[in-house]
Amino acid sequence: SQQGEEDPQALSIQEGENATMNCSYKTSINNLQWYRQNSGRGLVHLILIRSNEREKHSGRLRVTLDTSKKSSSLLITASRAADTASYFCATGGTSGSRLTFGEGTQLTVNP
Amino acid sequence: NAGVMQNPRHLVRRRGQEARLRCSPMKGHSHVYWYRQLPEEGLKFMVYLQKENIIDESGMPKERFSAEFPKEGPSILRIQQVVRGDSAAYFCASSPAGRGSITEAFFGQGTRLTVV
Repeated sequence: SQQGEEDPQALSIQEGENATMNCSYKTSINNLQWYRQNSGRGLVHLILIRSNEREKHSGRLRVTLDTSKKSSSLLITASRAADTASYFCATGGTSGSRLTFGEGTQLTVNP
Repeated sequence: NAGVMQNPRHLVRRRGQEARLRCSPMKGHSHVYWYRQLPEEGLKFMVYLQKENIIDESGMPKERFSAEFPKEGPSILRIQQVVRGDSAAYFCASSPAGRGSITEAFFGQGTRLTVV
């Protein structure tokens, strides 16, 4: 698997349900970030979690990070149709500052 | 404070022509990153620049692609002699800090290049 690989590739849920997306990575990181991309648009930053943090919340978003398993999860609670988008995790390495993106999870929230 | 501005939003070029993509970072940001996204795929890093310097171009194809970020003006991604495989969305991001710092990147809306 490549650095920052999301699972599942696609997720379809009903409005009001929770959506969980997972991300695995291979090398050491100093932070992991989640981004959202609406169809045909740029990426919007959602949340950043540092390597010494285990959990972070922002509104309806909850991110966990397990550095021993090299994995992260993004939970969106009480989903809305407007949450329909692609979600990407991106890892920031311990040297240099570029972000390495996964292939994304396409989330569809049905009204 | 305007966000990262990319232009044009859409660009159509015939095979063999040149494509020039422009990116103006957010005010106060001196670090620019270019990424390429093929349909249904994630973003692939191309190049990281600071003013007048290329810091990391490990993701740039060896031929036909070049990037610059002059002291004045926007960053330019230039693709010479475009081929159909260059068709993609090209995203620019900027950040206020660079190597070794932890910070989010702010993305532009992208330029969608179509080579016909």
